[in-house]
Amino acid sequence: KNEVEQSPQNLTAQEGEFITINCSYSVGISALHWLQQHPGGGIVSLFMLSSGKKKHGRLIATINIQEKHSSLHITASHPRDSAVYICAIRGADGLTFGKGTHLIIQP
Amino acid sequence: EPEVTQTPSHQVTQMGQEVILRCVPISNHLYFYWYRQILGQKVEFLVSFYNNEISEKSEIFDDQFSVERPDGSNFTLKIRSTKLEDSAMYFCASSELRVSSGELFFGEGSRLTVL
Repeated sequence: KNEVEQSPQNLTAQEGEFITINCSYSVGISALHWLQQHPGGGIVSLFMLSSGKKKHGRLIATINIQEKHSSLHITASHPRDSAVYICAIRGADGLTFGKGTHLIIQP
Repeated sequence: EPEVTQTPSHQVTQMGQEVILRCVPISNHLYFYWYRQILGQKVEFLVSFYNNEISEKSEIFDDQFSVERPDGSNFTLKIRSTKLEDSAMYFCASSELRVSSGELFFGEGSRLTVL
């Protein structure tokens, strides 16, 4: 069964800091998603990766298929980046979600 | 910008009652999904739907759950006889391609409270 581990579980940082959130998984996958869940509960898809690296604005996502690891980076973090960031993997069992990383960016 | 819409945003029901949660996926999308998130827990996959039939379902999606695409736009999740443990946020999502190939678009969620 696929397991998804995210770290850290909670992260508080100052505005402007470079943020890294990690995701590790246990078995082969066909794709990995990074999602952002707002305080109100709504979910937004940030990235879908199957290899390499993607960049969108201040967000960068990387994946290493051999090491079964992905990272989400936020450059020049801002209080509006405060949210729960969720890693989800597509494997044989369908889509499996991590528990999320609760990020707070303080002004 | 096209979006997935869900109704109701919040529903309160008595245990044993039937509930229907509605979703309008993005119009050119072909793959539809329901997920749920119990308060304080991680998001869980319930079911995927393609070409008017279920393509995958999880262990959670037992006989009390059903999905339907009654017309060309709505995608519904029915819970026949709700239980206390069905209280959760239910998210609908759609994608143009399979979730391994295409981006997922989520609705804002329907919060179900079973009393």
